Parts: sequence; C-alpha cells; structure tokens
Amino acid sequence: EDKVVQSPLSLVVHEGDTVTLNCSYEVTNFRSLLWYKQEKKAPTFLFMLTSSGIEKKSGRLSSILDKKELFSILNITATQTGDSAIYLCAVEASAGGTSYGKLTFGQGTILTVHP
Amino acid sequence: DTGVSQNPRHKITKRGQNVTFRCDPISEHNRLYWYRQTLGQGPEFLTYFQNEAQLEKSRLLSDRFSAERPKGSFSTLEIQRTEQGDSAMYLCASSQGQGFYNSPLHFGNGTRLTVT
Repeated sequence: EDKVVQSPLSLVVHEGDTVTLNCSYEVTNFRSLLWYKQEKKAPTFLFMLTSSGIEKKSGRLSSILDKKELFSILNITATQTGDSAIYLCAVEASAGGTSYGKLTFGQGTILTVHP
Repeated sequence: DTGVSQNPRHKITKRGQNVTFRCDPISEHNRLYWYRQTLGQGPEFLTYFQNEAQLEKSRLLSDRFSAERPKGSFSTLEIQRTEQGDSAMYLCASSQGQGFYNSPLHFGNGTRLTVT
C-alpha cells in the first residue's frame, strides 16, 4: 500500500523565518509528487515534481525531489502570515502505463506564522 | 476558469437519512475525483471517473455510497443511510488526462457533512 509521511506535523515560526517541510514516501510505480496548500477550504496546487534533483520555484516557495532516497522538501523563505496553512504532500502512481491522478496524501504539516 | 464548484457547502443531516452532493468540474477536464477528508488528516481517495466511466472505487466506499457522472460533466455523490462516521469534508477534484499524462488535480471547496 502506498504511504506518505510528512514532518513535522506542526511548526510555529515568526515572519521572516525560513522553513523546510519534509515528505517521505513509499509507492509502487511512482509517477509524480505534488505539494498543495490548504487554508480553510480547497487544497490549492503548488508544485508537481517528476524528476530527481530539479528544483521548482515559485516566488518564495521552492521544492525538490530525491527519487533515490524517496523524499521531497518544500522550502518557504521570508515567511509571511499569509503562509499560515496546512501543507499537503501527495504521490501519484501509474498503473498499466496509465497515470490517472489517484493521489495518496500525507497527514499534512500545519504551519503557523506569527507577526 | 471558474474552478471546481461543489454544492452544498455544508450539510447537516440526521443519522439514517440519505444525502446527495454535486460537483461541477472545470469544463475542459475529462477526469473527476471524489476524496474525503477528516480533521487532522490528508484527503483520502474515494472514486474516479474518466468522462462518464467510473474506473476505480476505493474500498473505503461502502455499498451505501454511490457516485455518478452522467454525460461526463457534473458528478453526484450519494450516501444512503448516513452514519456518524460519515461526517467529513467531501472534496471533488478534476484534471485533464490521457494515458500516462495527467494534469495536476484542482480541488473544489468541498461539502462539509455533519451527521447527528
């Protein structure tokens, strides 16, 4: 059974700090790893990673995947109060040459950024 | 892009009643998913449609749960004879996919179900 473990489960920082969120996984026929941000409602898409060692960046957020060691990290620099949210990591597997978007999620990391 | 739309936003029902939720995906997306999320947990996969065909159902989806996607557009999720353990956020997502390619899933705001 596919498994995703995130750490830490919660994190409290002050504005301006840099944070690193971790995601390790076990999956058969890995296809991609995705990061989502969830505030009060819908998880919103941040990154999709399929290749090892290639960093994806969007503003103050960046993420990288290590397929050999089966983990990914999400970095947020110069945190702001608006970054407070649950950050979810998910993996997608392929089956029979098809990737159909069935995601296995981790428990999430609750990030709280204080002013 | 109007996003994925779900209705109702909240539903409170008594144990034993039936409930139905609706999801309207992003219009050009051919794949539609239902997930369930309980407090403190990540979303769990329930079922998946490609166009109008339901291609996979999780073992989490008991016989009391049924999902449809007539005409490959909107989808409904019905829960019969609700139980307190059904209380959760029900999330719908959609994507565009063909074979090995699948775009990232875009989620709706969910329907929060409370069974009393």
